[in-house]
Amino acid sequence: GENVEQHPSTLSVQEGDSAVIKCTYSDSASNYFPWYKQELGKRPQLIIDIRSNVGEKKDQRIAVTLNKTAKHFSLHITETQPEDSAVYFCAAPRGSNYQLIWGAGTKLIIKP
Amino acid sequence: EAQVTQNPRYLITVTGKKLTVTCSQNMNHEYMSWYRQDPGLGLRQIYYSMNVEVTDKGDVPEGYKVSRKEKRNFPLILESPSPNQTSLYFCASSPLAGDSTDTQYFGPGTRLTVL
Repeated sequence: GENVEQHPSTLSVQEGDSAVIKCTYSDSASNYFPWYKQELGKRPQLIIDIRSNVGEKKDQRIAVTLNKTAKHFSLHITETQPEDSAVYFCAAPRGSNYQLIWGAGTKLIIKP
Repeated sequence: EAQVTQNPRYLITVTGKKLTVTCSQNMNHEYMSWYRQDPGLGLRQIYYSMNVEVTDKGDVPEGYKVSRKEKRNFPLILESPSPNQTSLYFCASSPLAGDSTDTQYFGPGTRLTVL
């Protein structure tokens, strides 16, 4: 069945460096790819999303890139800061697009 | 304030005792969904609803029921809870954007323990 694979499961970077998290999906009909951030003990919140009619989207220090041919999309965080420490989830729609399939999450650790 | 609320936030119960977790949103969203979150497994969808009286199974619907009698409310019912339903549960709502959902707004979560 359709699934979303997310890598790595844990990522530790030095403060100020960049972080990249990658997700691959299997449903070629998927056209909406969100990224959510979940801080410890909090609810997930959308940080950026991209639709299949564009290849890249930026919002200040975060960006998402999409490669529809290879069926993968990535989250890029530049100039990482301590407040970026969290678990990040990617998701992609299944079939009807009204159901999201989620990656297993990446725990991002920012080292001071 | 636009929000999704869930109650209760924490619940400890025993096997077989029926329970309901309520979810309410004040944003007039068509789409509502229930997820469970377990370590290492991410978010798994239990049920979702596209509008009033329209509900569909997600990936892990066994042991759960839902109803959507009003647009703002989407309760999750566990008729006979079992220990493997111990988890963190999130309700979420979203407007529909053409042929897909849009930003999902999550409730604060309900931590359920079934003994």
